[in-house]
Amino acid sequence: DAKTTQPNSMESNEEEPVHLPCNHSTISGTDYIHWYRQLPSQGPEYVIHGLTSNVNNRMASLAIAEDRKSSTLILHRATLRDAAVYYCIPILSGTYKYIFGTGTRLKVLA
Amino acid sequence: SAVISQKPSRDICQRGTSLTIQCQVDSQVTMMFWYRQQPGQSLTLIATANQGSEATYESGFVIDKFPISRPNLTFSTLTVSNMSPEDSSIYLCSAERSDPGRTDTQYFGPGTRLTVL
Repeated sequence: DAKTTQPNSMESNEEEPVHLPCNHSTISGTDYIHWYRQLPSQGPEYVIHGLTSNVNNRMASLAIAEDRKSSTLILHRATLRDAAVYYCIPILSGTYKYIFGTGTRLKVLA
Repeated sequence: SAVISQKPSRDICQRGTSLTIQCQVDSQVTMMFWYRQQPGQSLTLIATANQGSEATYESGFVIDKFPISRPNLTFSTLTVSNMSPEDSSIYLCSAERSDPGRTDTQYFGPGTRLTVL
């Protein structure tokens, strides 16, 4: 299983962009990179995922390094509702097994 | 997407007793999972529950302590047996759906907060 390294915590001002990094240097060529977030007192929720190319959806963008050893989740305009713990999870396609690391606790300042 | 509910949402139990947690999904799913989240910690996978077969447990978790049922494609239960204060955690279930445009996406329930006295 690929190991991940994320900063324990980050802060952002409201309505400013946030870049959340993740190092996954042991990732294999077929592992997808998923990002989930866990809001206070809730279960994790899907944010975005990708394999090799950068990805965009309504919630965020995912920038994947060319060597795939790291990725960055980008929240374009942080809101107070984005305060959560963000997890990056490399997942071998078809295995369904999620290994949660420690994640990054994002604090958004009004 | 899939909507997942859990019962109970929280409970306080005495040591030595057992608690069964129910997980209901609003649509049929192949894979269901149970996780534990200890206070201030990340999630740890307990087991994978497939309909029609025995659950597959991760290292450190055993069937006698955490028996799991999966009677159909929308429902699963996790029992925490012979509880001790060390079992105080949030227990979450999740379900896997391969929605169009997604790969191996899991949807999580809100969790059951268990306190053992």
